[in-house]
Amino acid sequence: GEQVEQLPSILRVQEGSSASINCSYEDSASNYFPWYKQEPGENPKLIIDIRSNMERKQIQELIVLLDKKAKRFSLHITDTQPGDSAMYFCAAHTGYQNFYFGKGTSLTVIP
Amino acid sequence: DTTVKQNPRYKLARVGKPVNLICSQTMNHDTMYWYQKKPNQAPKLLLFYYDKILNREADTFEKFQSSRPNNSFCSLYIGSAGLEYSAMYLCASSRPGLGGRAEQFFGPGTRLTVL
Repeated sequence: GEQVEQLPSILRVQEGSSASINCSYEDSASNYFPWYKQEPGENPKLIIDIRSNMERKQIQELIVLLDKKAKRFSLHITDTQPGDSAMYFCAAHTGYQNFYFGKGTSLTVIP
Repeated sequence: DTTVKQNPRYKLARVGKPVNLICSQTMNHDTMYWYQKKPNQAPKLLLFYYDKILNREADTFEKFQSSRPNNSFCSLYIGSAGLEYSAMYLCASSRPGLGGRAEQFFGPGTRLTVL
């Protein structure tokens, strides 16, 4: 199946600064790239996504970028807050049903 | 109700014994997935049902079974649990959205410990 690499695995940032998480994929047929936030004891929840016909998408403080040529996509959280501390997963969707996840990034926002 | 439910939340099993995990959703989603999540690893897709069609990943083909008696329920069955099956098992469901977007909704997971 598809391989999704996610880096870094651990990220610590000061409150108010930006946090960036990078993912890469292998299958050029991947066409949908969701990002999930998982807080301790909770299930992963979709926070933002981007389709292959877009290069950039922003929802409030969340920005996702997609570079199809390089097969890379990234999540940027601007003006981070302590509530942003969580595990973040990227995923690549190959076709209708198949989702493949990165290993996750543990983000800690330091007050 | 946009929730996916999983039962049980915690499961203790003996090596060699069968395990059956249950997932349900009432969103009328056509696709239901099972993932295995181990610490410091990505959620690994085990299998998914699209309607009544079961698709299993090649490397987990023989280890996991599943059934979907109706649109709302999906089970994950391990015939003979091994120590390596200890993990969090996440169920998710989805249906096609606008522009091909297929948002997944996850359940809370079942933590399986095999002793």
